[in-house]
Amino acid sequence: QQPVQSPQAVILREGEDAVINCSSSKALYSVHWYRQKHGEAPVFLMILLKGGEQKGHEKISASFNEKKQQSSLYLTASQLSYSGTYFCGTRDGNSGYALNFGKGTSLLVTP
Amino acid sequence: EPEVTQTPSHQVTQMGQEVILRCVPISNHLYFYWYRQILGQKVEFLVSFYNNEISEKSEIFDDQFSVERPDGSNFTLKIRSTKLEDSAMYFCASSEALHLARVHTDTQYFGPGTRLTVL
Repeated sequence: QQPVQSPQAVILREGEDAVINCSSSKALYSVHWYRQKHGEAPVFLMILLKGGEQKGHEKISASFNEKKQQSSLYLTASQLSYSGTYFCGTRDGNSGYALNFGKGTSLLVTP
Repeated sequence: EPEVTQTPSHQVTQMGQEVILRCVPISNHLYFYWYRQILGQKVEFLVSFYNNEISEKSEIFDDQFSVERPDGSNFTLKIRSTKLEDSAMYFCASSEALHLARVHTDTQYFGPGTRLTVL
């Protein structure tokens, strides 16, 4: 079952902050965040694991609330290069090793 | 930095024709995946492959699809009789899978994709 992302779209000015949320109705093993620029492959940003372990970029932070089955990606002091579509991919007990992706959040950072 | 590569970058075919999409996963990775993304929509899982066999597949991956690892480096997706609705970007991904018990924690690295257009 696919996770639900919010908001669908965000427009920021350079330097502003944003939070992108990802929630699931199922118990999750892990949440994976990717950024995709138009016409390109999704690029890995961050993985959050059940139990609190995290792997990812130093400049990007995220949280994973296991009880609520929610994850949030925090983009601080946004740069023009942050523009793109952000997808969360989740693994639950039924998805095996495949990732179930949300519909994405489109982020546009303007000068 | 090692990366997943895919060929061709764009494939145009006639409905009913067979296509083969090729991927070279990162060399020390053992778990391979195919995903597709219809224009403007989310990325959808098709199939995963480990130890020369399919590990999981989605409902999308029906009998018209097949995967193969013909040699030590390539991983292919074959679509036997293409339909208009198969038009999409197809992404290959790979992950290390050093410890099977922790594959669900592995990062999946995506290739640049093959844009398939079925006319």
